[in-house]
Amino acid sequence: EAGVAQSPRYKIIEKRQSVAFWCNPISGHATLYWYQQILGQGPKLLIQFQNNGVVDDSQLPKDRFSAERLKGVDSTLKIQPAKLEDSAVYLCASSFRGDNYGYTFGSGTRLTVV
Amino acid sequence: AQTVTQSQPEMSVQEAETVTLSCTYDTSENNYYLFWYKQPPSRQMILVIRQEAYKQQNATENRFSVNFQKAAKSFSLKISDSQLGDTAMYFCAFMKPTEGYGGATNKLIFGTGTLLAVQP
Repeated sequence: EAGVAQSPRYKIIEKRQSVAFWCNPISGHATLYWYQQILGQGPKLLIQFQNNGVVDDSQLPKDRFSAERLKGVDSTLKIQPAKLEDSAVYLCASSFRGDNYGYTFGSGTRLTVV
Repeated sequence: AQTVTQSQPEMSVQEAETVTLSCTYDTSENNYYLFWYKQPPSRQMILVIRQEAYKQQNATENRFSVNFQKAAKSFSLKISDSQLGDTAMYFCAFMKPTEGYGGATNKLIFGTGTLLAVQP
């Protein structure tokens, strides 16, 4: 089966600019996650979708971050305006039903804010 | 709140030898799941092994095995016959299915990782 697709692979922007990341999960996977991985740290959950509804966005900085999942399939994560501390790898993952067998991750987008 | 601690930032092992990566966690829960993920330079997180807390038997996957000590809240990963392709960051992770306001959430809580270098 095809894996979790993410784009772009790299992005460099100036602070205060906007940026968007795209994720296409594995076909049939109802649950989609966005994680933020800052250099030297483990990934941290930003938001979880079940189909097109939000399950958990408690750690999403809602003043600048937003996410949506169109028709319960693809998802976009947006940052507006970006700050230097947003430099990180943004990982998307999906699972069949949010089950406890772990997820399938994409290769992530490395964001550098200068 | 649950926390995961990996106290070894970096480790090195010779090819074909055995290495053990350490992980401890803190939780008051009784039923949960533990994972080891591998992250090579390609950045994709790859599931290595999974352990269910209510199972006493340690999980094994080919050259990878765990030593799960529930009372001590310890979950170490042993890699036997190390290969060059094992060079990567390894993350220990904890999962406790909980009820979020939108439904059940299976959030993974990760440690800070151990960078493993396999030397030829």
